Amino acid sequence: NAGVTQTPKFRILKIGQSMTLQCTQDMNHNYMYWYRQDPGMGLKLIYYSVGAGITDKGEVPNGYNVSRSTTEDFPLRLELAAPSQTSVYFCASSLAGAPVDGYTFGSGTRLTVV
Amino acid sequence: AQKVTQAQTEISVVEKEDVTLDCVYETRDTTYYLFWYKQPPSGELVFLIRRNSFDEQNEISGRYSWNFQKSTSSFNFTITASQVVDSAVYFCALTGEENNAGNMLTFGGGTRLMVKP
Repeated sequence: NAGVTQTPKFRILKIGQSMTLQCTQDMNHNYMYWYRQDPGMGLKLIYYSVGAGITDKGEVPNGYNVSRSTTEDFPLRLELAAPSQTSVYFCASSLAGAPVDGYTFGSGTRLTVV
Repeated sequence: AQKVTQAQTEISVVEKEDVTLDCVYETRDTTYYLFWYKQPPSGELVFLIRRNSFDEQNEISGRYSWNFQKSTSSFNFTITASQVVDSAVYFCALTGEENNAGNMLTFGGGTRLMVKP
């Protein structure tokens, strides 16, 4: 049981480039989330999804896009990368909201935009 | 809007000392859930506990204990007889109806705990 898998683990982008951060879960969870963690800060929600075909904005969605074509996958797209998007990105999932055993987080993707 | 405040940005203790990490929250919801996560130097997020707003009983798990007080909107975390392996950043987080249907977590800024041998 792999849980939540994020790829890549590290990436350096040049300003203006685009990329997709991949997130896959094998627990048949309905809810999936993308957070970013800036240095020395807590996590902030970028986008979330409550099921396939349904996505919604979180606290800091500007500069990002998501899709949820399947239950398992929830990719995060960065268009026109900017230095302000340098951060660690975490994908998370849960069977339902506020789960008793907590949300399951991936190991993170460290992105640097130069 | 919901808010979680961890006023202690960094705490340093010597091994075997007890240490309490503070968490204060704000919410208009009557039903809400509080979480603690540990982020060791390796970077992953490790779930420690979930508490719902109707359960004010304190919780103890080995050297860890949690004190939930609705009257002061606090959910503090105590590590007894700290060990070097407890060195990490600890996050308090909150979700509830105000966070809409997605039950997304609102995180505090985290407390970095350093336990010295």
